[in-house]
Amino acid sequence: DTEVTQTPKHLVMGMTNKKSLKCEQHMGHRAMYWYKQKAKKPPELMFVYSYEKLSINESVPSRFSPECPNSSLLNLHLHALQPEDSALYLCASTKGGTGNEKLFFGSGTQLSVL
Amino acid sequence: KQEVTQIPAALSVPEGENLVLNCSFTDSAIYNLQWFRQDPGKGLTSLLLIQSSQREQTSGRLNASLDKSSGRSTLYIAASQPGDSATYLCAVFSGTYKYIFGTGTRLKVLA
Repeated sequence: DTEVTQTPKHLVMGMTNKKSLKCEQHMGHRAMYWYKQKAKKPPELMFVYSYEKLSINESVPSRFSPECPNSSLLNLHLHALQPEDSALYLCASTKGGTGNEKLFFGSGTQLSVL
Repeated sequence: KQEVTQIPAALSVPEGENLVLNCSFTDSAIYNLQWFRQDPGKGLTSLLLIQSSQREQTSGRLNASLDKSSGRSTLYIAASQPGDSATYLCAVFSGTYKYIFGTGTRLKVLA
């Protein structure tokens, strides 16, 4: 299994809603990432978990709340989002805990905030 | 601050042509460089990873080179096919989990 699985594939939410994005990998990877990508722009790093601990928070607004319940699962909880948060949210993983390896990406969740 | 630039931003070629995509980075202190492919609205697929000590990597019709001292990498695609149409991004790893992505090259291969 060399996949990173993200659900849902598409999500539409209002500004007062609470929703969660889910990411799973069963490759035994020890680092997991959330990226945000706007149309025709490169991905931007949001959070990194290494060995289930939050290692990096790129000054992301608190309306985005990451969670790593175990080494295979990564969630992104969303609350009170703004229309400008509409984007493709990508999960990724690397084998070791240093990040100096091949990045495996999921297919993403296309989020629209109304 | 590391900046990664890709030229050209878009490229349209006839099927069968060999082509070169370029990636430039401003800080040569990198650990590795990866090339990715992204189809519209989808995730990224890693094509090739070059460690800083390596000069090139090959996979099938793809060949990537790295000249760290000059801050450049190229992705060579041989005998292009319509299925190669996608956006190609390079990313440099400078440590602490941070991959800095380039601006991408949108490639269209015409049948």
